[in-house]
Amino acid sequence: GAVVSQHPSWVICKSGTSVKIECRSLDFQATTMFWYRQFPKQSLMLMATSNEGSKATHEQGVEKDKFLINHASLTLSTLTVTSAHPEDSSFYICSARTLAGGPNEQFFGPGTRLTVL
Amino acid sequence: GQSLEQPSEVTAVEGAIVQINCTYQTSGFYGLSWYQQHDGGAPTFLSYNALDGLEETGRFSSFLSRSDSYGYLLLQELQMKDSASYFCAVSGGYQKVTFGTGTKLQVIP
Repeated sequence: GAVVSQHPSWVICKSGTSVKIECRSLDFQATTMFWYRQFPKQSLMLMATSNEGSKATHEQGVEKDKFLINHASLTLSTLTVTSAHPEDSSFYICSARTLAGGPNEQFFGPGTRLTVL
Repeated sequence: GQSLEQPSEVTAVEGAIVQINCTYQTSGFYGLSWYQQHDGGAPTFLSYNALDGLEETGRFSSFLSRSDSYGYLLLQELQMKDSASYFCAVSGGYQKVTFGTGTKLQVIP
C-alpha cells in the first residue's frame, strides 16, 4: 500500500518550453502532497506544499508563477515548470501523506529527471 | 529557520555496525525521521522519533535526544545493499519537513 507514482520519469525539453509533471497516489487519498527538488549529490529541497482544493504554499525563493502547482483531487497533484531554463534541470520528487500514516511518514514518488537544453 | 548537519560520507565493512549522526537547529520540532535513498531512486522512509530514546526496527535503530538536538541512525549487520544515502529530516510546523545534508554510506566487503 501507499504507492505514489510520477509521470514522466524523465523529460528533455528545449529552453523556454513548459513541462508538466504528474504525481498520483495510487491506493490512498492524499490530502497533502509535497514537491521537492534535488540537485546531484545534494539534499532534497522542499519547493511547495500542496493541499487538495486550495492554493499551494511555495517556499521562500521558489517562484509560484514559474512553478505552478495544481492539486485538483485527493489523488493527483501536478507541477508545471513554466519557461524552463537549463538551471531548472534537476530531479523533481513528489511525496504524499496519508491520514492513516504516522505523523511524519511521507511516501515518495520515483522522481522525474528534467533536463533543459 | 531549519538546519540539519550530517557527515557527508561514511565507509563501513559488511557485517559491521555503523552510526550516522544528525544535529539540528529548528524553530519548531515535532520529530526526527530517517530516509534511505539509493542512487537515482526516491527516498524511502525508515523511522520516526518524536520522543527521546531508541526506536528499533529490525537491523535499523534510531535515537533521539531532544535536549541535545541530536539523533542518530544505527545500522547493524551491514549488507552491501545498505550502500545508499541516508537523510535525517525534521518535522516542523505547518507539516513542513526539512531534510538534512545527507550521508553517503559505502559498505565494503
